[in-house]
Amino acid sequence: NAGVTQTPKFRVLKTGQSMTLLCAQDMNHEYMYWYRQDPGMGLRLIHYSVGEGTTAKGEVPDGYNVSRLKKQNFLLGLESAAPSQTSVYFCASSLDRDTEAFFGQGTRLTVV
Amino acid sequence: LAKTTQPISMDSYEGQEVNITCSHNNIATNDYITWYQQFPSQGPRFIIQGYKTKVTNEVASLFIPADRKSSTLSLPRVSLSDTAVYYCLVGDPAGFQKLVFGTGTRLLVSP
Repeated sequence: NAGVTQTPKFRVLKTGQSMTLLCAQDMNHEYMYWYRQDPGMGLRLIHYSVGEGTTAKGEVPDGYNVSRLKKQNFLLGLESAAPSQTSVYFCASSLDRDTEAFFGQGTRLTVV
Repeated sequence: LAKTTQPISMDSYEGQEVNITCSHNNIATNDYITWYQQFPSQGPRFIIQGYKTKVTNEVASLFIPADRKSSTLSLPRVSLSDTAVYYCLVGDPAGFQKLVFGTGTRLLVSP
């Protein structure tokens, strides 16, 4: 039982490049979330999903897209990376809105 | 309008009890109150959750007054390893199904 696994753990991108971050959970959770955390700041919600095939915008969705084709996976895409997207990205999952959320170990992304 | 308000930082010494209060004036009837802990370079970790009165587990206690407009996380006898950022979350008043974090409280425990 691995919990929530994020791939990759580190990545450096050049401005304008694209990439996809993968989040996988093996707990059969319905809800999945993508957050970003900038230095010294709290987490900000990018996008979330309440079930397979569904996605919704969070607080800071601009510049990101997501997909939830399979229940266990939640993908975060950057179509054209910008330096402002340099951050640590966390994925999380929960059974529902009010139950404990489990977080991945984070992906440190640097855009140069 | 912020959903939760917490102190930005707190300092304590080993062995003391620490109480972190969170204000959530717009809490909805069906909302739960949840606290998370985050260490540097790690994802947040669930500590405790409650709806009303008092909840206690092996890590902390959560006190919620009758009007539910605030809550207090109590950490008994803190140690150096309790140095972390603590986040208070409540259900979104608009009914959106998501977890929204505030800025949290940075707790520093000194010897």
